[in-house]
Amino acid sequence: SQKIEQNSEALNIQEGKTATLTCNYTNYSPAYLQWYRQDPGRGPVFLLLIRENEKEKRKERLKVTFDTTLKQSLFHITASQPADSATYLCALHTGGFKTIFGAGTRLFVKA
Amino acid sequence: KAGVTQTPRYLIKTRGQQVTLSCSPISGHRSVSWYQQTPGQGLQFLFEYFSETQRNKGNFPGRFSGRQFSNSRSEMNVSTLELGDSALYLCASSPQKGQGAHNEQFFGPGTRLTVL
Repeated sequence: SQKIEQNSEALNIQEGKTATLTCNYTNYSPAYLQWYRQDPGRGPVFLLLIRENEKEKRKERLKVTFDTTLKQSLFHITASQPADSATYLCALHTGGFKTIFGAGTRLFVKA
Repeated sequence: KAGVTQTPRYLIKTRGQQVTLSCSPISGHRSVSWYQQTPGQGLQFLFEYFSETQRNKGNFPGRFSGRQFSNSRSEMNVSTLELGDSALYLCASSPQKGQGAHNEQFFGPGTRLTVL
């Protein structure tokens, strides 16, 4: 069956460190993968998109990698700050105008 | 540009009732998707509309339906409400122009539905 898994429900890190979040999928062949941030009580906010023919994408302190052989994407936040604390969702576009979201990883950055 | 708006923001209904939720996409966006978010199941895809046509549907019972109007505004309806329908219902619009196009989604704040 098709499945998307994000590495853990919660990740605690110290301010200034790099946070690494994992998204694994099975039985999909996504054309591209996206990462979103969601704060409590709000809708998700788009962060980055990476296509299947791209290995890496960067935006400011954010970096995403996409390995279609391993069926895995890694999402990195460098020099993390308490304001980065949120839930991060990965999402696959499976074709057919449908986007499938992972359950999300809650990130807590301690000052 | 104004963002995606959803009305109402909060709603309390009782079992057996029906409910209609509304979504106004960002101006110029023709694709609208609906999602149900619960703590246990995460974000679950309900359906997607483009130019008044439903192009895909998630694995939800027929009690969940939707439509899109010529101005791209969309509504979703849930009939015969059950306790398990309590959730945050999110609408997202996209500037998507075709199946292979960039598909970034812009989400609204959601409608919090509580079924008693």
